[in-house]
Amino acid sequence: AQSVTQLDSHVSVSEGTPVLLRCNYSSSYSPSLFWYVQHPNKGLQLLLKYTSAATLVKGINGFEAEFKKSETSFHLTKPSAHMSDAAEYFCVVTLSGAGSYQLTFGKGTKLSVIP
Amino acid sequence: ETGVTQTPRHLVMGMTNKKSLKCEQHLGHNAMYWYKQSAKKPLELMFVYSLEERVENNSVPSRFSPECPNSSHLFLHLHTLQPEDSALYLCASSRRWSDTGELFFGEGSRLTVL
Repeated sequence: AQSVTQLDSHVSVSEGTPVLLRCNYSSSYSPSLFWYVQHPNKGLQLLLKYTSAATLVKGINGFEAEFKKSETSFHLTKPSAHMSDAAEYFCVVTLSGAGSYQLTFGKGTKLSVIP
Repeated sequence: ETGVTQTPRHLVMGMTNKKSLKCEQHLGHNAMYWYKQSAKKPLELMFVYSLEERVENNSVPSRFSPECPNSSHLFLHLHTLQPEDSALYLCASSRRWSDTGELFFGEGSRLTVL
């Protein structure tokens, strides 16, 4: 069984300041982890993924996430927020090697960026 | 042209209507998916198709009826829906259903049931 918890439903940051979106997971075996982003009135887009290679994963648009097994966390960060980062972000877990149809999505964190 | 296209983008229907949602992918993928996105809830997988064969059906009510005539097209037929079925319905595709790979999503069809 697997589950994912996004610790904040809403995060607000000022433009130019760091972004931290928190995600904790639970998985019986080695997990694969993803972050997806959904801009208003758009579908979801993959930001980055961890599949048991390097624990620090770099994604698109300057985002990165670090897999910490001891803390069962996969937090998403970005050094400097941009207005275009305002969107909803979803942390996703599955078993390593499992099919794409076995993804478990978090409830999402809405990121607001203040000018 | 976007990779996954959904039509219509918005749909309002009464509980006795019959309507369909359409999804088309231009990525050459073999797997297609329907997801339901409701406010404050995680995405719910409804159906998975691989090369036109259904491989997953997550206990979805029979008032939702999927159809996959070929690997590029996916439909969701709707009939006698309930107000709680109002949601954003997202179509996605992937290279293969058995891969732990990236899902490519359409922009969704926003359904309102009156």
